Amino acid sequence: DAKTTQPNSMESNEEEPVHLPCNHSTISGTDYIHWYRQLPSQGPEYVIHGLTSNVNNRMASLAIAEDRKSSTLILHRATLRDAAVYYCILRGYGGATNKLIFGTGTLLAVQP
Amino acid sequence: DTEVTQTPKHLVMGMTNKKSLKCEQHMGHRAMYWYKQKAKKPPELMFVYSYEKLSINESVPSRFSPECPNSSLLNLHLHALQPEDSALYLCASSQGPGRQSSGNTIYFGEGSWLTVV
Repeated sequence: DAKTTQPNSMESNEEEPVHLPCNHSTISGTDYIHWYRQLPSQGPEYVIHGLTSNVNNRMASLAIAEDRKSSTLILHRATLRDAAVYYCILRGYGGATNKLIFGTGTLLAVQP
Repeated sequence: DTEVTQTPKHLVMGMTNKKSLKCEQHMGHRAMYWYKQKAKKPPELMFVYSYEKLSINESVPSRFSPECPNSSLLNLHLHALQPEDSALYLCASSQGPGRQSSGNTIYFGEGSWLTVV
């Protein structure tokens, strides 16, 4: 499975935008880029995913570099409830396999 | 309904006990997963079931025994565990498998906190 690299931690102020980077230089052409987050004492939660084009949903935006070797998760206005570990994950298809392999993630702290 | 339900939420067991963790989903998903998560670490994949058949076992010790009795249920049977097996055990499900499955969302339960004494 292709690897991702994320900063260990980031800080943001409430109500400000947050840009969480992810490098994935060994991504293959069929790998989807997934973002999940895990709030304290909860299971991981889906945030967004994309393949080539930028994506928006009610939670966040995903900006994918043209060469797909990096991506950025954008939280438009951080709230205290967004404090979590954010995981950037590459997921390829392989017939019967259906893995989601987590990297170390970025711990986002949001200051009031 | 986009829920994965896990029971019990907390479990304390001795090293000679036999216990089970249970997971249920009613989203019609045909892929189900067990993950193990130690404190301050990312979740680690243990098992994947596809269409009620075990498709991936990530070299998990035999003291963990998964079972998928039907498409909605996933169990993890525990026997002769060690204190280092204490962790959060996460169940998840998704549509698939298949060639397009890599774009599918995986839904996680809130986990079962296991303490082995």
